[in-house]
Amino acid sequence: ETGVTQSPTHLIKTRGQQVTLRCSSQSGHNTVSWYQQALGQGPQFIFQYYREEENGRGNFPPRFSGLQFPNYSSELNVNALELDDSALYLCASSWAEGGGPLRNSPLHFGNGTRLTVT
Amino acid sequence: GQQLNQSPQSMFIQEGEDVSMNCTSSSIFNTWLWYKQDPGEGPVLLIALYKAGELTSNGRLTAQFGITRKDSFLNISASIPSDVGIYFCAGIYSNYQLIWGAGTKLIIKP
Repeated sequence: ETGVTQSPTHLIKTRGQQVTLRCSSQSGHNTVSWYQQALGQGPQFIFQYYREEENGRGNFPPRFSGLQFPNYSSELNVNALELDDSALYLCASSWAEGGGPLRNSPLHFGNGTRLTVT
Repeated sequence: GQQLNQSPQSMFIQEGEDVSMNCTSSSIFNTWLWYKQDPGEGPVLLIALYKAGELTSNGRLTAQFGITRKDSFLNISASIPSDVGIYFCAGIYSNYQLIWGAGTKLIIKP
């Protein structure tokens, strides 16, 4: 069983640039969630994708967007990067009937992408 | 963003000691989760709690779901060096979202 894999592991970008982060779900999983984890903090929910559509979103601006592909892999795109976007970005997958609920489908996390914005 | 209140922020312990940490919220949760995160890795689920008053164990780890549904506790007995890391509590906020605490960092004194 292949776990959740994320790429790249580290990335340095300049303020105002755009970035794309990638995630391959654990085999057999159909739902992908993205979380932002600032240094010394717990993860913050960005959004979840099920059947290639966003079916839940946290308190993040529209410049954070995503995609889910037919093979359940996913991308997180961030436009117009700001210094505060520097964080560890975590991808998590699960198998959920109808895209939820989380109660019945534990999240499996990847090791994250460390993004630094200068 | 929304966050659970987790304490202590960090703990310095001797190998072999027991450890206790807790998590509180102003809101009711129907599911509490405890995760551990090692440096350079993503969080790994340790224990899931689904019912108020529930006490669940996973090896040396024991967690409890508070009766009010606004808190949870995690205990680690007879700590060993590999217990070092950051422990997070999380509550399921909706069908798709977890709300997390800021973590408790466990450090073993040499």
